[in-house]
Amino acid sequence: DSGVTQTPKHLITATGQRVTLRCSPRSGDLSVYWYQQSLDQGLQFLIQYYNGEERAKGNILERFSAQQFPDLHSELNLSSLELGDSALYFCASSVRRTGSPLHFGNGTRLTVT
Amino acid sequence: GIQVEQSPPDLILQEGANSTLRCNFSDSVNNLQWFHQNPWGQLINLFYIPSGTKQNGRLSATTVATERYSLLYISSSQTTDSGVYFCAGWYSGGGADGLTFGKGTHLIIQP
Repeated sequence: DSGVTQTPKHLITATGQRVTLRCSPRSGDLSVYWYQQSLDQGLQFLIQYYNGEERAKGNILERFSAQQFPDLHSELNLSSLELGDSALYFCASSVRRTGSPLHFGNGTRLTVT
Repeated sequence: GIQVEQSPPDLILQEGANSTLRCNFSDSVNNLQWFHQNPWGQLINLFYIPSGTKQNGRLSATTVATERYSLLYISSSQTTDSGVYFCAGWYSGGGADGLTFGKGTHLIIQP
């Protein structure tokens, strides 16, 4: 158990809908990261938050947004969903902004029909 | 951002065999990790190894930072070692790429 909690484990929704994925980092970790894993794109970095502030932005679509709350949990919001958004979404956390290992949650499997 | 190349892409071995997986980076990294993704999709953290050698049971890893590569050794393979092995690195020059993953080595251990 990595200590990173992601909910829900599975999510099935229709095109055009909006969903929210939730992540609780390991105790003491200040950085939260979101990754998307799809069959054709592999593991892609989406965004990083450190202590409530956005620190790095990767291949995140404009339809997607995220935030980190004062209690350090994070949410990833996906809107106007398309079939191609079907993927495994991972959250990870680390102690520092850089230079410390990332620990991954078990992921949320999103299926858009 | 950096490029991460893993080899081989696929590997099929018999139980008890040893294997070496390789990871090459296009630029210097200051955070290098190896992960195992099991058949249930979980990403298990194997090693955090920006440089040097570490061992954990039947697994060991070596990173030669100056030559921009890392190796993962699996000895006496078991069927539970099957899955995809990823290496990932964070460019030491900073930037917004986060931890960049390779495409993985798909390992199948046959009984």
